[in-house]
Amino acid sequence: QQPVQSPQAVILREGEDAVINCSSSKALYSVHWYRQKHGEAPVFLMILLKGGEQKGHEKISASFNEKKQQSSLYLTASQLSYSGTYFCGSSSGGSYIPTFGRGTSLIVHP
Amino acid sequence: DAGVIQSPRHEVTEMGQEVTLRCKPISGHDYLFWYRQTMMRGLELLIYFNNNVPIDDSGMPEDRFSAKMPNASFSTLKIQPSEPRDSAVYFCASSSGTGGNQPQHFGDGTRLSIL
Repeated sequence: QQPVQSPQAVILREGEDAVINCSSSKALYSVHWYRQKHGEAPVFLMILLKGGEQKGHEKISASFNEKKQQSSLYLTASQLSYSGTYFCGSSSGGSYIPTFGRGTSLIVHP
Repeated sequence: DAGVIQSPRHEVTEMGQEVTLRCKPISGHDYLFWYRQTMMRGLELLIYFNNNVPIDDSGMPEDRFSAKMPNASFSTLKIQPSEPRDSAVYFCASSSGTGGNQPQHFGDGTRLSIL
């Protein structure tokens, strides 16, 4: 079951903050976050395992709410280099292979 | 260390032709994944291998698609015969774990156009 990402697209000015959400209809074991720039491969950002821990990567962090079956990616003081499409991948017990959402397009303007 | 290596980077061919995509995973990784990416369907998992054995091929769209992994350092995805709707970017990724708690490392992809 593909997780649902929201919003589909975000347009920001440099220095602004953004939140991208990823929701699953199934109980979650883990959530992966990747960023893909146009014409390139997806690049790993972080993995969150069930337990509600928050992780960080530069000024990008994420949370995992097991009860709500969702994860959120927080981009703080966005930089031009943050532009790209962000994918979440969720896995459930039984199969630990993540299924990816449709992605959220993030555009950061100067 | 070299990352996941895919070839060719671009392939343009006519409908009905056989297409073979190649992938070399990161050395030591025991999981290999094949994905297809399109605007309409996003990033779809086609098949994955563990220790060279296909584990789940439920994402393979039709019998025209087949994948093999003859050894730990090489995998192929074959489409025969190819159709225009197969046009997409095909990614190979490898991982040292199940993927549930280990990151996947993606190759640069093969951009396939079927005319």
